[in-house]
Amino acid sequence: DQQVKQNSPSLSVQEGRISILNCDYTNSMFDYFLWYKKYPAEGPTFLISISSIKDKNEDGRFTVFLNKSAKHLSLHIVPSQPGDSAVYFCAATGNTGKLIFGQGTTLQVKP
Amino acid sequence: KAGVTQTPRYLIKTRGQQVTLSCSPISGHRSVSWYQQTPGQGLQFLFEYFSETQRNKGNFPGRFSGRQFSNSRSEMNVSTLELGDSALYLCASSSDSNYGYTFGSGTRLTVV
Repeated sequence: DQQVKQNSPSLSVQEGRISILNCDYTNSMFDYFLWYKKYPAEGPTFLISISSIKDKNEDGRFTVFLNKSAKHLSLHIVPSQPGDSAVYFCAATGNTGKLIFGQGTTLQVKP
Repeated sequence: KAGVTQTPRYLIKTRGQQVTLSCSPISGHRSVSWYQQTPGQGLQFLFEYFSETQRNKGNFPGRFSGRQFSNSRSEMNVSTLELGDSALYLCASSSDSNYGYTFGSGTRLTVV
């Protein structure tokens, strides 16, 4: 049972444009959501997070939006840069303390 | 400060063997979690240790086990290896199990 889903395995955008990565979850007990970025041969690195009491969190070029009624979150990267090319994982956690990850979306930003 | 250190980085084992992977968390972090990453499956949660006690467990068979020492270092053991156990095994540490996970670079295990 995949509680966190990233339905797009890959995404390709042009440099300077917006990248939108999507994530859906099923467990209404999740109250904290995170995005991680992963390069090959490295562990995931934390990017940005959002608490369920908010609907938006912004950090530089990265903004995460949370729609609790739809159980959906998205990561916006504006403007996209070639160095953003990586695998992006969304993750969710609740009172169990487990961090549950989606399958990942591979982002390619073309120069 | 030093990050999360996982050893070894690469490992090749034969079916039926057992393997032990090691993780040294960031100094002061008491929570250590283990994940398995395979293509198309994302990061699958294995288990979490906090102060030497297993606090959470994922849906993996009993062949997968772990432990945590008093200095918060953790080991993961897989017995009777199967070809499907080939994966990148990642360890993450946190001072609080819900937030601020920092991952190591992982151990790439190949079972032949």
